[in-house]
Amino acid sequence: NAGVTQTPKFRVLKTGQSMTLLCAQDMNHEYMYWYRQDPGMGLRLIHYSVGEGTTAKGEVPDGYNVSRLKKQNFLLGLESAAPSQTSVYFCASSKRDQPQHFGDGTRLSIL
Amino acid sequence: QQQVKQSPQSLIVQKGGISIINCAYENTAFDYFPWYQQFPGKGPALLIAIRPDVSEKKEGRFTISFNKSAKQFSLHIMDSQPGDSATYFCAAWEGTGGTSYGKLTFGQGTILTVHP
Repeated sequence: NAGVTQTPKFRVLKTGQSMTLLCAQDMNHEYMYWYRQDPGMGLRLIHYSVGEGTTAKGEVPDGYNVSRLKKQNFLLGLESAAPSQTSVYFCASSKRDQPQHFGDGTRLSIL
Repeated sequence: QQQVKQSPQSLIVQKGGISIINCAYENTAFDYFPWYQQFPGKGPALLIAIRPDVSEKKEGRFTISFNKSAKQFSLHIMDSQPGDSATYFCAAWEGTGGTSYGKLTFGQGTILTVHP
């Protein structure tokens, strides 16, 4: 039982490059979330999804896009990476109104 | 705006001591207050949680104290151990109330170090 799996675990990008972060969950959860974690700021919600084919903006959505083509997968895309997007990205999943289960994060550096 | 304020930012405790982390919130619509524990290189994991109709909840060495009128809640770790060294986040959950998504707002985090 893997829970929430994020790939890749580490990545270094140059400014302007694009990339996609993948999140996969095997708990049949309806809800999935993308957060970023920065020192002294806790976790901030980027985008979330309440079901396959649906996505919505969170607290800090600018510069990111997401897609949920399959219930078990939630993708986070950076079209043109900026240094301000250097962060640790966490994916989480949950059933409705239940605690969120987190992956182990993707550490992204943008030079 | 920071809806959940957490303090202190860092905390050093000796083995066997009591660790106390405090959080304050503003939004009276919050109706569930979880604490997450995060070890280096790992994601946050749910540690303990409380609803506002209860003033205290205890699970082993971990206790949440909740003061609804003051809009404050705290985590107490009794007999702190080096293995408790981690980052702790308080959070507040605004339930769906008929909408499709309940919002979870995190505090800034507290780095706890327990010295042997």
